[in-house]
Amino acid sequence: QVQLQESGPGLVKPSETLSLTCTVSGDSFSSYYWIWIRQPPGKALEWIGQIYYTGSTIYNPFLKSRVTISVDRPNKQLSLKLNSLTAADTAVYYCARQKLGENTPIDCWGQGTLVTVSS
Amino acid sequence: DIVMTQSPDSLAVSLGERATINCKSSLSVLYSSNNRNYLCWYQQKPGQPPKLLISWASARESGVPERFSGSGSGTDFTLTISSLQAEDVAVYYCQQYYDSFRTFGQGTKVEIK
Repeated sequence: QVQLQESGPGLVKPSETLSLTCTVSGDSFSSYYWIWIRQPPGKALEWIGQIYYTGSTIYNPFLKSRVTISVDRPNKQLSLKLNSLTAADTAVYYCARQKLGENTPIDCWGQGTLVTVSS
Repeated sequence: DIVMTQSPDSLAVSLGERATINCKSSLSVLYSSNNRNYLCWYQQKPGQPPKLLISWASARESGVPERFSGSGSGTDFTLTISSLQAEDVAVYYCQQYYDSFRTFGQGTKVEIK
């Protein structure tokens, strides 16, 4: 059974770059699409982007200029970088996995990590 | 992008009664070549990540109680909880996975009356 664990700083300053890592354990890394999603406190889910295990990416067009998602296949990790942070980027950040296939729902989520953007 | 709009934003239902949540997409999420609706429903309890309940608009995931059902096609979808239980208190989200830019509804909070 796959498990996903996000890690990274809980507090980041405005204008800086957020870097998060998601470590995948217990299942294959290959053949899946891996997702980053965020949720501001008390608000709805927002899809940030996805990456195929080969490295091809699709980003939320509203965040595309600030986001980079990458994979480290040997270590079964995916990473998220989000630059030029503002308070509006304060959220719980989740990594997740789609079911097998290109257009499928998400069937597995990490527990999420809260990132606060504040000076 | 496909905008997903849920209604209502919140509802309070008595235990054992029916709860109905609607989700409307700004564009059809029905793929004509396979006649499948690329729409799913998640349940999110406080402090937890979302949990997938229903895929393809009406396919219940393994282990999801039968009281949860999904229906609809094209642009209009419904999640129904036939007999609300205390453990169903949560926020429910619809999501389309038709477009490469996935989008969620704003969520519907279900509470006990």
